Amino acid sequence: AQKITQTQPGMFVQEKEAVTLDCTYDTSDPSYGLFWYKQPSSGEMIFLIYQGSYDQQNATEGRYSLNFQKARKSANLVISASQLGDSAMYFCAMREGRRKGGGNKLTFGTGTQLKVEL
Amino acid sequence: KAGVTQTPRYLIKTRGQQVTLSCSPISGHRSVSWYQQTPGQGLQFLFEYFSETQRNKGNFPGRFSGRQFSNSRSEMNVSTLELGDSALYLCASSRLGLAFTDTQYFGPGTRLTVL
Repeated sequence: AQKITQTQPGMFVQEKEAVTLDCTYDTSDPSYGLFWYKQPSSGEMIFLIYQGSYDQQNATEGRYSLNFQKARKSANLVISASQLGDSAMYFCAMREGRRKGGGNKLTFGTGTQLKVEL
Repeated sequence: KAGVTQTPRYLIKTRGQQVTLSCSPISGHRSVSWYQQTPGQGLQFLFEYFSETQRNKGNFPGRFSGRQFSNSRSEMNVSTLELGDSALYLCASSRLGLAFTDTQYFGPGTRLTVL
């Protein structure tokens, strides 16, 4: 079963507009972390924002915020005031807490290709 | 603070050869994880090293191996290369990698092409 689902393969947004990238997850572990990464065409994965399962408030980092709805198991990324440089692939990832031996493993979604237009 | 570095950035090999990729983590980070990214399979976890020991392993054949040195630098090796091994190989480091809150920071990747 897919643990991380990103249903939008591609999105377009106008410069300066806000955009929401969807992410749903599936886990029975009460302890988990959710991460968003940006991957430009160069290939490097750039960390954007983190949300922990016990965090009461939605995470924010500059123009990025995470709309965390725990009961719905969703962790949508909101980018405000989009810029041309935001054009990239965006990945949602999860790390579960209780793994034998402390497994530091991220499970990724399939990504959303965002294109910012003038 | 310098980020994660990976060498080489690009590599072309032929089937049957072997290859070694290198990763230097962020200073002070002791956990290093490796991922394979392909258009068909997406991002898949290969293995993780901490204190020179493999702590976690993904579902890859034994041709894929790795190691970590005392300075936390890591290498991964792929023997008997197959066409399907063509991929972007990403290395990520985290401080200790013990808690689910520990963020992984990625390097620029090594793009391997197998002919």
